[in-house]
Amino acid sequence: DQQVKQNSPSLSVQEGRISILNCDYTNSMFDYFLWYKKYPAEGPTFLISISSIKDKNEDGRFTVFLNKSAKHLSLHIVPSQPGDSAVYFCAAKQGAQKLVFGQGTRLTINP
Amino acid sequence: DGGITQSPKYLFRKEGQNVTLSCEQNLNHDAMYWYRQDPGQGLRLIYYSQIVNDFQKGDIAEGYSVSREKKESFPLTVTSAQKNPTAFYLCASSPGQNLGYTFGSGTRLTVV
Repeated sequence: DQQVKQNSPSLSVQEGRISILNCDYTNSMFDYFLWYKKYPAEGPTFLISISSIKDKNEDGRFTVFLNKSAKHLSLHIVPSQPGDSAVYFCAAKQGAQKLVFGQGTRLTINP
Repeated sequence: DGGITQSPKYLFRKEGQNVTLSCEQNLNHDAMYWYRQDPGQGLRLIYYSQIVNDFQKGDIAEGYSVSREKKESFPLTVTSAQKNPTAFYLCASSPGQNLGYTFGSGTRLTVV
């Protein structure tokens, strides 16, 4: 049972435009959500997170939105840059439990 | 600098052999994790350990074994019982009940 789903395996966006990566979850007890970025042959690095008590968190070009009623979160990157090309993983956790990861979305930024 | 180190970066194994992947952290983190990444399947949890001398199976533990004799170290052994061991293996750590994980740079294991 996949509790965290990223239904788009890949996304292609033009440089300078907005990239929107989506993530859905099924466990309403999740109270913290994170996005990780991963380059090939490297470990994921933490990008941005949001607590379930908020609906938006912004850090520079990156904004994460949380819609608890829809059990959906999204990552917005604006403006998109070539260095943003990577695989992005959504992850969620409940309390002190371990993180549950989505399948990842490969983002390609085209010049 | 604090961090988490995985070695080797690339590893080749003959069928039927056991192989051990190293993971060391100097972040003083209590919890450590092993994930496997396959194309299109994201990160799947193999084993995790929340304290020394204790560990639990993750979602795909069959064919793997771990030990946690020291806080800093969490080696993963891929045994000959693992039917499809070729994958990218990631180790991570976290400060126990805190929020995010710090990942190592991974080990790519290829069975030849």
